[in-house]
Amino acid sequence: GQSLEQPSEVTAVEGAIVQINCTYQTSGFYGLSWYQQHDGGAPTFLSYNGLDGLEETGRFSSFLSRSDSYGYLLLQELQMKDSASYFCAVRENNNNDMRFGAGTRLTVKP
Amino acid sequence: DAGVTQSPTHLIKTRGQQVTLRCSPKSGHDTVSWYQQALGQGPQFIFQYYEEEERQRGNFPDRFSGHQFPNYSSELNVNALLLGDSALYLCASRMARGYSGANVLTFGAGSRLTVL
Repeated sequence: GQSLEQPSEVTAVEGAIVQINCTYQTSGFYGLSWYQQHDGGAPTFLSYNGLDGLEETGRFSSFLSRSDSYGYLLLQELQMKDSASYFCAVRENNNNDMRFGAGTRLTVKP
Repeated sequence: DAGVTQSPTHLIKTRGQQVTLRCSPKSGHDTVSWYQQALGQGPQFIFQYYEEEERQRGNFPDRFSGHQFPNYSSELNVNALLLGDSALYLCASRMARGYSGANVLTFGAGSRLTVL
């Protein structure tokens, strides 16, 4: 079957580092993306990995291992405003749109 | 630079009715996709429009239909509404494949549909 698995909830404190994992099983693979969504808001793009390795954008980094069908989003120096839902999404072929996971709700505590 | 705009933001319908949701893509984007997001779930792909044609479709019944206009704006129509159609409907736009940024979806804030 086709699936994207990510933890449903993660809790961390301000200033800490948190890693949100995503494993996928899809019919094809053209890249892994991460989106952030605050309550009542629109999903916003964070990062994209088309090839294996680490992509860094400020406090956020994303990693991909295609051989393991696995990726993660790393959030450093957590801030209260990082409390949101985070979705991994896979593009299964060059023409398709994204298949999204169910999301990980991150709660950052003082 | 306006992002993706959707209307209406909220609406309430009863079972069996029909609804039309509207979306204007981000400036410079020509590909529009629609997603359904149930509470506590990730967005589920409904369909994608490019050059006024439906190019991809997710696992949704024919009650869900759409349209794209020459100015790239789009509509989502849902007929014979069911209680289970209650959800946030998100429109996302991007550039066509082959262009820088084509992997980035820009979402609107969504239309919250409640079916009673």
